[in-house]
Amino acid sequence: DIQMTQSPSSLSSSVGDRVTITCRASQNIDHYLNWYQQKPGKAPKLLIYATSNLQSGVPSRFGGTGSGTTFTLSITNLQPEDFATYFCQQSSSAPRTFGQGTKVEI
Amino acid sequence: QVQLVQSGAEVKKPGASVKVSCKFSGHTRTELSIHWVRQTPGEGLEWMGGYDPEDGETAYAQNLQGRFTMTEDTSTDTAYMELSGLTSDDTATYYCAAEVYGGNFQYYFQFWGPGTLVTVSS
Repeated sequence: DIQMTQSPSSLSSSVGDRVTITCRASQNIDHYLNWYQQKPGKAPKLLIYATSNLQSGVPSRFGGTGSGTTFTLSITNLQPEDFATYFCQQSSSAPRTFGQGTKVEI
Repeated sequence: QVQLVQSGAEVKKPGASVKVSCKFSGHTRTELSIHWVRQTPGEGLEWMGGYDPEDGETAYAQNLQGRFTMTEDTSTDTAYMELSGLTSDDTATYYCAAEVYGGNFQYYFQFWGPGTLVTVSS
C-alpha cells in the first residue's frame, strides 16, 4: 500500500497569512494526488484534484503543486472559513490512502 | 447534482454486525463508483473499500478482509456496506463517497454522504 504522510500535523495561523501543508507519498504517484477540507461534524469536501486542479467553487487562494512523491497545498490570505483539517489522498492505485490530516487553527 | 443520502446512526454490541445504506441520485451511475471511508473519533480518514478501475473489481482494505462487504441494489440506486464482528475499535463515522473519473486517469472523491455514526458498546 502507498503510505501518505502529511506535515505538519497541526499549525496555528492568523487571518491573512499564507500557509503551506506538505504531503509525501511512499512511492511515485505521478500527479494523482487530491486534497480535501473537513470541518467539524461535516464530511470532507474536495478542494483540489490531480495535484493542482481547483474543484469548481473553490476560491483561488487555494493552490496545489508537486509531482512524484512530494506535494504541497498552499492557502494564501487565510480566511476565517479556512480554519479546518486538510487531508491529502492518492488515487494512483488501490487501496486509496489518505494522509493523517493537518489541522489549521487560529 | 449528485446526492448521497445515508442511513441513520446505529448502536451495536460487540460481536454484532452493522449494515449502512447510501442512496445516490443525480448522476449516471456508471460514471461514478461508490467507496466507503470511515473516521474514528478525532482521527483521520481510513479507506475501507471501493471499485478498483485497474482491474474492474471491488477492492477491500486488507485489515478488513473477511469482515467487510460492499453490495449494491441497482433497482433503487442504493449501495450498502456491512461490517461484522464489531469491536469498540469500529466505533466511527462511516462515509460513502462517490469517486469520479475526471479523464486522463484522474480519480477523486467528488461527492460525499453526510456520514453515519456507528457506536459499538456493550
